[in-house]
Amino acid sequence: DGGITQSPKYLFRKEGQNVTLSCEQNLNHDAMYWYRQDPGQGLRLIYYSQIVNDFQKGDIAEGYSVSREKKESFPLTVTSAQKNPTAFYLCASREGTNSPLHFGNGTRLTVT
Amino acid sequence: RKEVEQDPGPFNVPEGATVAFNCTYSNSASQSFFWYRQDCRKEPKLLMSVYSSGNEDGRFTAQLNRASQYISLLIRDSKLSDSATYLCVVNMARSSGGGADGLTFGKGTHLIIQP
Repeated sequence: DGGITQSPKYLFRKEGQNVTLSCEQNLNHDAMYWYRQDPGQGLRLIYYSQIVNDFQKGDIAEGYSVSREKKESFPLTVTSAQKNPTAFYLCASREGTNSPLHFGNGTRLTVT
Repeated sequence: RKEVEQDPGPFNVPEGATVAFNCTYSNSASQSFFWYRQDCRKEPKLLMSVYSSGNEDGRFTAQLNRASQYISLLIRDSKLSDSATYLCVVNMARSSGGGADGLTFGKGTHLIIQP
């Protein structure tokens, strides 16, 4: 079955460490996205990519970095510069501009 | 005015009842609309796309009112398993205040179906 896979499901890190979250899709979608969700809050866009080797900052990109070397993969690095990294991170993809998003099952990151 | 607004609830509804909630949006040029369901500590899952003519999927009906700039979701014969947060997503032009890629999320309406 086609879908989006995020790993790991839970991730624990010490403050000051960089950490990379994985996102892989086999839906053949060009566009991929990273969102962050905090308790009781809506989704906020971190980065998105509409095509391989290209990506744009979202609304809260500071402290994060991404790469898009392959169509299937869009990893997110949470750097030590991110002030409040503890959150639920969601990767998504979609087929076209007016298509719905398909989400992975998320990575819950805890930084202490 | 916020770009996409939803009543956060919670809506407490007895099992078997009909419940409806709306989502208002600010950009009249918005092009596509979606309802997602999100269970606690899980990812959002697409419930329905919303079409101009309205659409129905089993117990769920979605409507779009462009004149008043809102979409609605109606759930008939509600089940305990319908308890979740329902997110409204609007695809609007960035120049009019949408998110970086035009997708703007509401904060969700929390629905609790009571036995």
